[in-house]
Amino acid sequence: AQTVTQSQPEMSVQEAETVTLSCTYDTSESDYYLFWYKQPPSRQMILVIRQEAYKQQNATENRFSVNFQKAAKSFSLKISDSQLGDAAMYFCAYRDTGTYKYIFGTGTRLKVLA
Amino acid sequence: DTAVSQTPKYLVTQMGNDKSIKCEQNLGHDTMYWYKQDSKKFLKIMFSYNNKELIINETVPNRFSPKSPDKAHLNLHINSLELGDSAVYFCASSQGGFYNEQFFGPGTRLTVL
Repeated sequence: AQTVTQSQPEMSVQEAETVTLSCTYDTSESDYYLFWYKQPPSRQMILVIRQEAYKQQNATENRFSVNFQKAAKSFSLKISDSQLGDAAMYFCAYRDTGTYKYIFGTGTRLKVLA
Repeated sequence: DTAVSQTPKYLVTQMGNDKSIKCEQNLGHDTMYWYKQDSKKFLKIMFSYNNKELIINETVPNRFSPKSPDKAHLNLHINSLELGDSAVYFCASSQGGFYNEQFFGPGTRLTVL
């Protein structure tokens, strides 16, 4: 069965600095999709960025980028120029092409310090 | 316009009661989901419907029953509520392709006293 692991329950970053959140997953599939979702205190889950496993190029969305290492089954999220509004829970999620099911990690709480 | 809406947003009830949470999406998506998020923020899938057909049914007590009257709606009915059912319940929807993200509702915080 596929699993998603986020080993950092909590991280802190100074405003304007860069932080990297870790995510590893386990799968025997070769084609799948990975996502990072953000959940601010408002509870609303929002997609931050996504990556297709067959694409070697790392996805980038403004200040957010990923480091996708397929062989290592690693999918970390880098947030550059951190802002106070980035403070939230961040969830890594996996989905393969054989199922409608998304598997979420346990989340990392990010604190941004002014 | 709200993409995925849930009602109610907060629900406080006594043990043993029966309650329902409603979900509607106006995105034209064909797949809808129910998740439970516990106090430790762990997000666990419960059910999923694709075109009104149940496609995911995780190990959930049979006190929980989803119903999808049409593609745009997925309701969750819970019988004989227990203290352990207290959580935030999220509805989500997505469209077909595996690359497509899920859009989440605002969540319903259920508190069982």
